[in-house]
Amino acid sequence: EVQLVESGGGLVKPGGSLRLSCAASGFTFSNYEMSWVRQAPGKGLEWVSSISSGSTYIHYADSVKGRFTISRDNAKNSVYLQMDSLRAEDTAVYYCASHLAGSYIDYWGQGALVTVSS
Amino acid sequence: QLVLTQSPSASASLGASVKLTCTLSSGHSTYAIAWHQQQPDKGPRCLMKVNSDGSHIKGDGIPDRFSGSSSGAERYLTISSLQSEDEADYYCQTWGIGPLVFGGGTKLTVL
Repeated sequence: EVQLVESGGGLVKPGGSLRLSCAASGFTFSNYEMSWVRQAPGKGLEWVSSISSGSTYIHYADSVKGRFTISRDNAKNSVYLQMDSLRAEDTAVYYCASHLAGSYIDYWGQGALVTVSS
Repeated sequence: QLVLTQSPSASASLGASVKLTCTLSSGHSTYAIAWHQQQPDKGPRCLMKVNSDGSHIKGDGIPDRFSGSSSGAERYLTISSLQSEDEADYYCQTWGIGPLVFGGGTKLTVL
């Protein structure tokens, strides 16, 4: 059974940092690209960042470029999102998602809530 | 620019059928898309991929009541024999070189 389990969410002050982790199991992690997608309260899904299977290709949404950093450790079957200089508008549930290269998301995690507030 | 357009809401009666639409932006009519379902207070799950020729590949455990089709730049999700648990938000998603693209979502109400 495929599982993606996020951790590391919480409450942080504006300007602060947080690191999300996503532990994957049930599939060959090193063959898959991984992405982070977020959902602000009451809003739709917003793509945040993607990383290729070997970490060669990395992409960010303009809204987080320069503040967020995606990385992965294929030996630990894990993907990470380092979030710095957080803003109130970054408040959202952050989902980890898997997909083959140039393809659609096939599995989602359960989400991690990040709240940015003073 | 690659954009997906969905109607914000739809409704249908219990036991009936409903067809949701996702429209690809001009110049992108050959793109495949995926449909994702998000039930209240849950994470999304992948329902299926729909190709431009109308063929579709369903995700694990997705009932036969869910099917996909295509016409031009439009991609459809049809749900037959509607059940109460089908009341959810439905998002279409596609991909370019780099970013993943989501439609705004359709909130389906089962009457």
